[in-house]
Amino acid sequence: AAGVIQSPRHLIKEKRETATLKCYPIPRHDTVYWYQQGPGQDPQFLISFYEKMQSDKGSIPDRFSAQQFSDYHSELNMSSLELGDSALYFCASSPSGQGFRANVLTFGAGSRLTVL
Amino acid sequence: AQRVTQPEKLLSVFKGAPVELKCNYSYSGSPELFWYVQYSRQRLQLLLRHISRESIKGFTADLNKGETSFHLKKPFAQEEDSAMYYCALGYKLVFGKGTKLTVNP
Repeated sequence: AAGVIQSPRHLIKEKRETATLKCYPIPRHDTVYWYQQGPGQDPQFLISFYEKMQSDKGSIPDRFSAQQFSDYHSELNMSSLELGDSALYFCASSPSGQGFRANVLTFGAGSRLTVL
Repeated sequence: AQRVTQPEKLLSVFKGAPVELKCNYSYSGSPELFWYVQYSRQRLQLLLRHISRESIKGFTADLNKGETSFHLKKPFAQEEDSAMYYCALGYKLVFGKGTKLTVNP
């Protein structure tokens, strides 16, 4: 079965550069979540989208922005990168609505960003 | 505010021993709780959800509202259970710091 696809798998950037991470949710999942997991840290919620609209916002820096497109894929844009942005960025998707499968997130493998 | 506490950063047991990974939460409403597992170099995977009240890979977790706990238990640990375990709360998942479980042969 198709899973959540994240691209790129690894990315190396220098300070003050920009980076874009992409997430392709499971088909028919209309909700996308972004998480940041620093080295040895727990995943921290950044932002989520439902039906192409931002649904919730967590600890996302102002230098970061994200959007969800008409095909439900999402992109996380990071500008003015700092050393502390080095982390594993997870995307997760879920179907909306009620019932057993609601709010059950399926995670992608993550995109590892290294800022030098 | 929503908060999840996993008091043990590391937990090491021998194969066949019982294991309990502790999780306490802070939430004013009716909580929705999950256990996620992250095996070495793999993605986060849902292990258990409190609403389903099922046993996955021999693991169970019971929501205790009085103690605000959702401890994960397994009566006989296996080596393949070695992984990071995260307790999470709510629909957007507030994670605990995680417990690294090592099951020794």
